Amino acid sequence: GENVEQHPSTLSVQEGDSAVIKCTYSDSASNYFPWYKQELGKRPQLIIDIRSNVGEKKDQRIAVTLNKTAKHFSLHITETQPEDSAVYFCAAKEGGSYIPTFGRGTSLIVHP
Amino acid sequence: DAGITQSPRYKITETGRQVTLMCHQTWSHSYMFWYRQDLGHGLRLIYYSAAADITDKGEVPDGYVVSRSKTENFPLTLESATRSQTSVYFCASSVTGSTDTQYFGPGTRLTVL
Repeated sequence: GENVEQHPSTLSVQEGDSAVIKCTYSDSASNYFPWYKQELGKRPQLIIDIRSNVGEKKDQRIAVTLNKTAKHFSLHITETQPEDSAVYFCAAKEGGSYIPTFGRGTSLIVHP
Repeated sequence: DAGITQSPRYKITETGRQVTLMCHQTWSHSYMFWYRQDLGHGLRLIYYSAAADITDKGEVPDGYVVSRSKTENFPLTLESATRSQTSVYFCASSVTGSTDTQYFGPGTRLTVL
């Protein structure tokens, strides 16, 4: 089955800096890669996703890149703000499956 | 987000008791999922369902039972609660399975004493 590794487990940045979270996956058949943000005490919520026929996707200050050859994808947050502080989860889903495999999460701390 | 709810939001129980966590969605999504979230383990899949009366085990199903008699409801039962089942439980749903977003409920924090 699919295996997703996520790094780092904790990331601390100063407000205004950029943050990058990286994930690798094992199954070359995976074709859908969502990213979820979970604020303290809240539910995970989708913030951006990318499909395997696209190399990069942006939404304001966040972007996701996908390298199918290397089987890794990354979340980029620019101009970080304190409200970006949360746990971020990546996931990968194989085309024939409806169950995503989640990474273990990255705790992002943005210091004012 | 308001379309998927969980109850209770908090529950304290004792070892050996049966506990049922409820999940209800108003979107008529076909797929529903139960996850537990523990520090250091991320989200682990307990059970999932592709439609009413169709359920299957996930990564950590032992000690749990599910049913899905109606599309909108997906209750999770701990038959005899153990301390290791202390966790935050999230229900989720998606329209289809392939490339659709999962929408999570607000979660139930369960403590087993």
